[in-house]
Amino acid sequence: GQQVMQIPQYQHVQEGEDFTTYCNSSTTLSNIQWYKQRPGGHPVFLIQLVKSGEVKKQKRLTFQFGEAKKNSSLHITATQTTDVGTYFCAGRYGNKLVFGAGTILRVKS
Amino acid sequence: DTAVSQTPKYLVTQMGNDKSIKCEQNLGHDTMYWYKQDSKKFLKIMFSYNNKELIINETVPNRFSPKSPDKAHLNLHINSLELGDSAVYFCASSYDRGRADTQYFGPGTRLTVL
Repeated sequence: GQQVMQIPQYQHVQEGEDFTTYCNSSTTLSNIQWYKQRPGGHPVFLIQLVKSGEVKKQKRLTFQFGEAKKNSSLHITATQTTDVGTYFCAGRYGNKLVFGAGTILRVKS
Repeated sequence: DTAVSQTPKYLVTQMGNDKSIKCEQNLGHDTMYWYKQDSKKFLKIMFSYNNKELIINETVPNRFSPKSPDKAHLNLHINSLELGDSAVYFCASSYDRGRADTQYFGPGTRLTVL
């Protein structure tokens, strides 16, 4: 079945360092969404990318969708302790949204 | 004014029991979902209903039976609970199962089977 591979599984960074998580699909995606789940919380929608090569920014967060619409990344500049949590990508295949395994981000202050 | 609500928040039960989790959304969405999140945080869709009609039914044991009495409610009944059913179950809803299908998740139900 369709799979979205997400790496890394874990990332521990020092506060102020940058962080990036990557998602890859073997087949073309209709769109890709990103979610953040705080510890003990539920996933919360961050953004959706639809167009090939699309780049969107939300303050310190930069989201990219690859030209072939098979990969995506989320980059956080100068992490803060409030960034801790699990970041999920979710790729759309037809009528199904498939979540990546998530990247758990820990930030040391 | 909670958008997607689930009850109960915690559920601790013995193996072999039958239990239900309820979900309600007040967002006016047409589509509702059940997801299972295991201890490694992996989030996997189980079911999806659009206007009370089942549209996604992943490879889930038939001990799990979803029921949607109306488009604002999607309940999950689990028969003969097993240890491996222990997980956090999230209900979610979206406006449209097409391109504009941002998932709004409920707070989750942590199920522990002893």
